[in-house]
Amino acid sequence: NAGVTQTPKFQVLKTGQSMTLQCAQDMNHNSMYWYRQDPGMGLRLIYYSASEGTTDKGEVPNGYNVSRLNKREFSLRLESAAPSQTSVYFCASSEGSGANVLTFGAGSRLTVL
Amino acid sequence: QKEVEQNSGPLSVPEGAIASLNCTYSDRGSQSFFWYRQYSGKSPELIMSIYSNGDKEDGRFTAQLNKASQYVSLLIRDSQPSDSATYLCAVAISGSARQLTFGSGTQLTVLP
Repeated sequence: NAGVTQTPKFQVLKTGQSMTLQCAQDMNHNSMYWYRQDPGMGLRLIYYSASEGTTDKGEVPNGYNVSRLNKREFSLRLESAAPSQTSVYFCASSEGSGANVLTFGAGSRLTVL
Repeated sequence: QKEVEQNSGPLSVPEGAIASLNCTYSDRGSQSFFWYRQYSGKSPELIMSIYSNGDKEDGRFTAQLNKASQYVSLLIRDSQPSDSATYLCAVAISGSARQLTFGSGTQLTVLP
């Protein structure tokens, strides 16, 4: 039982490059989330998807796009990476469509030079 | 004012002592409250959830909620070095029922 799987675990980008973070869960959860974590800032919500086919902005959506490909997969795309997007990114899922117990992936550490 | 505030610490307690972690929140309508533990370099994992005023106990952990005073706390009894981690408070802010807002975390060190 893998839970929430994120790829890649580490990535270094140059300013202006694009990339996609992939996330998949095998728990049949309805809701999926992308958070970023910066030192001293806690976890901040970027985007979430309450159900397949829907996505909504969180606290810090600028510079990101998401796709809920199906019930299992939720990807996060940086179209033109900036140094301010250097962070650790966590994907999470929850069973219901409301704020609920979150299961997190292992995280993806992104550095933008 | 941040919606969810925690003392960032670091908080150090000796092994066997009680560690007390506190969290305050700004939205009186908040209904759901969670404590997550995060070891260095790892992802957060749920320790406790609490929804009603009062205490909720689970092993060595006790969550306390006081909605009138808008605070939630986590007590860790008989603290062990393995409890050394950052503890994140998370609140479901009313009007954002599908989102959790996290505090910045309190770093706890349990000294052997």
